[in-house]
Amino acid sequence: QVQLVQSGAEVKKPGASVKVSCKASGYTFTDYFIHWVRQAPGQTPEWMGWINPNNGGKYYAQEFQGRVTMTTDTSIDTAYMELNRLRSDDTAVYYCARDAHRTGDYWGQGTLVTVSS
Amino acid sequence: DVVMTQSPLSLPVILGQPASISCRSSQSLVHSDGNTYLSWFQQRPGQSPRRLIYMISDRDSGVPDRFSGSGSGTDFTLKISRVEAEDVGVYYCMQGTHTMYTFGQGTKLEIK
Repeated sequence: QVQLVQSGAEVKKPGASVKVSCKASGYTFTDYFIHWVRQAPGQTPEWMGWINPNNGGKYYAQEFQGRVTMTTDTSIDTAYMELNRLRSDDTAVYYCARDAHRTGDYWGQGTLVTVSS
Repeated sequence: DVVMTQSPLSLPVILGQPASISCRSSQSLVHSDGNTYLSWFQQRPGQSPRRLIYMISDRDSGVPDRFSGSGSGTDFTLKISRVEAEDVGVYYCMQGTHTMYTFGQGTKLEIK
């Protein structure tokens, strides 16, 4: 069965970086894009961008350009999302999701990133 | 960016009764390939979003047939024919037609 398993919760100070991983199983990793979506507490989800594991192609939402880097390691079927220069309003649950029909069909369990001094 | 506007934001429903959620987009969601990439998600408390419907009306595997999607262009609807207790949660529409994907603000369904 398709599964996306994400890394554990992180606590970071303002200005630091965080890297969240998303390990895929149950399907051919390079056949599907991966989306990253975040959700601040009590807020609506916010789409951050996608990456194509087949060729590394990617697209970042304008709000995150210059601060986010999405990568994949196809040898271990894992996607990564790194966010730099963290601020308190980056506190959120970060999700990865497999793309199907330009939307996420399978989602990871989420990774809580807390930014606090 | 395309703005997705849902209504109502709060939806109290009696068990066994129908429910309907509207989602309107600020631009047409018809893609240049002819498809409309409008999907619906359910999010129960403390859980990841779960996709219910994609491309307006295609139901995901395992989703009960009491959930249905309809609409076209800029106006879309999610209907639940008979609400059950397990349907409690927040429902979001999302568009994937335009380069910047965007979500609606969410509709909280509760049992009256």
